[in-house]
Amino acid sequence: GAVVSQHPSWVICKSGTSVKIECRSLDFQATTMFWYRQFPKQSLMLMATSNEGSKATYEQGVEKDKFLINHASLTLSTLTVTSAHPEDSSFYICSAAPLGRTNTEAFFGQGTRLTVV
Amino acid sequence: AQSVSQHNHHVILSEAASLELGCNYSYGGTVNLFWYVQYPGQHLQLLLKYFSGDPLVKGIKGFEAEFIKSKFSFNLRKPSVQWSDTAEYFCAVNHNAGNMLTFGGGTRLMVKP
Repeated sequence: GAVVSQHPSWVICKSGTSVKIECRSLDFQATTMFWYRQFPKQSLMLMATSNEGSKATYEQGVEKDKFLINHASLTLSTLTVTSAHPEDSSFYICSAAPLGRTNTEAFFGQGTRLTVV
Repeated sequence: AQSVSQHNHHVILSEAASLELGCNYSYGGTVNLFWYVQYPGQHLQLLLKYFSGDPLVKGIKGFEAEFIKSKFSFNLRKPSVQWSDTAEYFCAVNHNAGNMLTFGGGTRLMVKP
């Protein structure tokens, strides 16, 4: 099956610094990738839709200046958490579906656990 | 906006017991339906999906789900659970071609050996 890889798997950073998370589709291309956030013991909440070659679409309540998304190629999207604070600590997950295929499920990365201290 | 509800937040079963996890969604149009499982420390894995056709869908590891359009439901079932089924289960729905998913709140299943 299709593989989506996230890097890093976990990261600890100091408050006020920025952290970049990468999401790569390893064996397929995707014009659209999705970024989710999962708080402990809660479900996944869609943060934004990453669009290759254009601006990301953010869900209501998600600060676009705080969570910078860049979709530079058909296989890579990045999420940068800027000026991170402890409340940004969470599990961030990306997903993507192969370009041009209908009726296919989205494939998920393994997630990135961010801890801001 | 569409929403997805999973009625059971925590379920504890003994091995060999039967399992049914409820999932209801609110969107009235055509939907695609999914069940994902997240084992401890691992990423989401697809258990099964429904796009069209037979409303009874069989997935991996002995799981199945039935789409009942009139009830806006897509309940997950397994006749006999195993200890290795201990995990969190998420129902998800999308109603567009962009693969954006709306997730239910998740059900944490614990199977006692």
